[in-house]
Amino acid sequence: GAVVSQHPSRVICKSGTSVKIECRSLDFQATTMFWYRQFPKQSLMLMATSNEGSKATYEQGVEKDKFLINHASLTLSTLTVTSAHPEDSSFYICSAGRETQYFGPGTRLLVL
Amino acid sequence: TQLLEQSPQFLSIQEGENLTVYCNSSSVFSSLQWYRQEPGEGPVLLVTVVTGGEVKKLKRLTFQFGDARKDSSLHITAAQPGDTGLYLCAAGGTSYGKLTFGQGTILTVHP
Repeated sequence: GAVVSQHPSRVICKSGTSVKIECRSLDFQATTMFWYRQFPKQSLMLMATSNEGSKATYEQGVEKDKFLINHASLTLSTLTVTSAHPEDSSFYICSAGRETQYFGPGTRLLVL
Repeated sequence: TQLLEQSPQFLSIQEGENLTVYCNSSSVFSSLQWYRQEPGEGPVLLVTVVTGGEVKKLKRLTFQFGDARKDSSLHITAAQPGDTGLYLCAAGGTSYGKLTFGQGTILTVHP
């Protein structure tokens, strides 16, 4: 099946710094990718839709200036958490695909 | 916004027992997916159901899609410790590929 990778798998950063998370589709092109956030023992919450060559579409309540999304190529979308704070600590997951969505392995972010 | 109500939220059972997880909505779906997620990993697709009344089997897992395509269930027979994980139902929205997830069911199967 299709493979989606994420990098890094986990990151620890200091409060106030920015963190970039990459999502790559390894064996197919993805004009659209999705970014989710997940808290412990909870379901996935869609944050935004990443559109190749155009602006991302954010879900209600998600700050677009806080979570910057760039989809510069058909195989790569990046999520940058700007000026991270401890409350941004979470598990971030991306997905891509056509009829079926394939999920990346996730990135664990811990902001100290 | 389509809302998926998943129940139960937590399920703790002994090895060998059967269980059913439910996913309900007031909306009609063109398709519904079930995923399984282990800690620290992304969700993995188990099955997609698309036809009202459809039943799909995956070894000890049986998936049903309601006749009206508003609800679905996942039944596990003779659960094993390896079945432990977070089970998620999800349905697509108007945007291609965009999924709405149920609240999830955390299943723990004790040896």
